[in-house]
Amino acid sequence: DSGVTQTPKHLITATGQRVTLRCSPRSGDLSVYWYQQSLDQGLQFLIQYYNGEERAKGNILERFSAQQFPDLHSELNLSSLELGDSALYFCASSFASGISTGELFFGEGSRLTVL
Amino acid sequence: GQQVMQIPQYQHVQEGEDFTTYCNSSTTLSNIQWYKQRPGGHPVFLIQLVKSGEVKKQKRLTFQFGEAKKNSSLHITATQTTDVGTYFCAGSYNNNDMRFGAGTRLTVKP
Repeated sequence: DSGVTQTPKHLITATGQRVTLRCSPRSGDLSVYWYQQSLDQGLQFLIQYYNGEERAKGNILERFSAQQFPDLHSELNLSSLELGDSALYFCASSFASGISTGELFFGEGSRLTVL
Repeated sequence: GQQVMQIPQYQHVQEGEDFTTYCNSSTTLSNIQWYKQRPGGHPVFLIQLVKSGEVKKQKRLTFQFGEAKKNSSLHITATQTTDVGTYFCAGSYNNNDMRFGAGTRLTVKP
């Protein structure tokens, strides 16, 4: 158990819809990262928040947005969903502000299926 | 752009054989991390290498960081079925830019 909690674990929806994925970081961690992993693919970095503010941005589509709340939990919003958005979405957390300054603790992921 | 190349994509070995996965970058890395993802699981941090030429061992796993800090390897001696999974390297170019390799999926035949 990494201490990072993601909900929902599974989500099935239709094209054009909007979903929200939620992540609670490990106690004490200030950074939250979102990654997308398509079937049998690597980990694509989407975005990082540190203590409520956007810290780094990766290959995140304009249809996607995220935020980190004062209690440090984070939400990833995916809108106008397309079939290609079907993937496993991981949240990770760390204490540091820099993505490379320490290990990332990953949640178990939210598997999104778009039909 | 900067990216971390990882090979091989797949590796199938007989239990007891050795396994190695390699990561390469065209530009110097500030550090490199390694993660393991079991089938159906999430990535779990294994180690971070920072110094040029660094070598670290964890039981049967040996991690190396190249002298030029552009490449790294993970070597597993005498694989076991518990080693099954995908091994990812993640190379950092600065404090806010870390790129994951595509991963090497290891399968082990008992």
